[in-house]
Formats: sequence, structure tokens, C-alpha cells
Amino acid sequence: DGGITQSPKYLFRKEGQNVTLSCEQNLNHDAMYWYRQDPGQGLRLIYYSQIVNDFQKGDIAEGYSVSREKKESFPLTVTSAQKNPTAFYLCASSIAGTGGQPQHFGDGTRLSIL
Amino acid sequence: ILNVEQSPQSLHVQEGDSTNFTCSFPSSNFYALHWYRWETAKSPEALFVMTLNGDEKKKGRISATLNTKEGYSYLYIKGSQPEDSATYLCAFVTYSGAGSYQLTFGKGTKLSVIP
Repeated sequence: DGGITQSPKYLFRKEGQNVTLSCEQNLNHDAMYWYRQDPGQGLRLIYYSQIVNDFQKGDIAEGYSVSREKKESFPLTVTSAQKNPTAFYLCASSIAGTGGQPQHFGDGTRLSIL
Repeated sequence: ILNVEQSPQSLHVQEGDSTNFTCSFPSSNFYALHWYRWETAKSPEALFVMTLNGDEKKKGRISATLNTKEGYSYLYIKGSQPEDSATYLCAFVTYSGAGSYQLTFGKGTKLSVIP
């Protein structure tokens, strides 16, 4: 089955610790995205990547970093600089080069502070 | 940051009722509008991608209309069923240059269908 796999489903972070959220897709999509959801808020874009080895900051990139070394993978690192990391994180992918194609989402990772 | 508003925030309807809700977005720099359904404990699922003013899309009992000149889209559900219970998200798509497109999401409308 083609789709997006996010892991882990739940993640706990200690103060001062960096943590990495995994996102893997087998849809052969060039574009991948990371969103954050907070209670009562819409999904907000953290980072996106249109092609391997290239990525762009979204609206709330501070305290996060990403890499795109393989087409299938777009991991998100929540660094210690992110002072309010508790949230639900969604990864998505789509066919690149057009906003007329829908995004496909993973099941999400819930990050909490210990 | 673009302003995409969805109303109502939540609603409860009886099984069999028809319902509709609204997505409002800027009337400039429009590229497309997406609608997604997000059921609890699942991932958001695309319903419609709308690109032209006056577009109407239909999928079973769910349909959507688009007015880009006034900046709104309506989502209609005819004869609501308990399985329609979900949060419905709209996303306004803009072109951000170099072949990139960004989605700005509304906060969603949470629909509960009471059997």
C-alpha cells in the first residue's frame, strides 16, 4: 500500500534535548511538508521540500531543522531552541510543481515535554 | 500570514439532516482551494481540489462550491450519517515562487452527527 509513515506515534522530550521525528513515503512524490497543530489552531507549515537536497522554511521554522537526503524521507528535528515543542506534528507529501494536487498525510506524531 | 476562516467552528446535526459550512479566504493571489476530511485517530484525507471560480465538485453526498471573486467556498453534506463525523479543513493555496506552492489551513469545522 502506498502511503506516508510517521514514527513514533508518541514522543517525549526532556529539557535541552533534540528529538527527531521520522517521515517516510512510498508514493514517489517529490514534495514533502511538515505541519504543526496546536489546540484551537489550524495546521501551520514548518518546513517544506520540493526536491531532494533542497528545503524551505515555512511560517514557523524557528527551533526546527530538516534534511532531505532521499526522496522518500524527510525527517524533522525539534531542537532545544524550540521552547514550546508540545504539539501534534503532521507530515505530508504531494506531486511537486502544482498546487492543484492534494496533499497526502501521515498519521502524525504527538510530542510532549517530560 | 494569510487569513483563512472556517465557520462554524463546530456543529451537531441529527442523522439525516443536511448541513453546510464555509471557508473564507483572501480574494487575491488565489491558486487553488483544498478541502480535507480529518476523522479522529486517522490522517487527513483529501476531498476536493478546486481551482476555477464557479467550480462545483461532488463526491457521493458531499459537494463543494467555489467563489474566488468574493473569497469563499461552501461544503455541503446531504443526509448526514454518523460516519460523516469529522473535522473538515479547507486550505488556501498560493504560489510562493520557484515552482513552490504553500497551503494555509483554516482551523476546521468539527461536525458531529447524532444517530
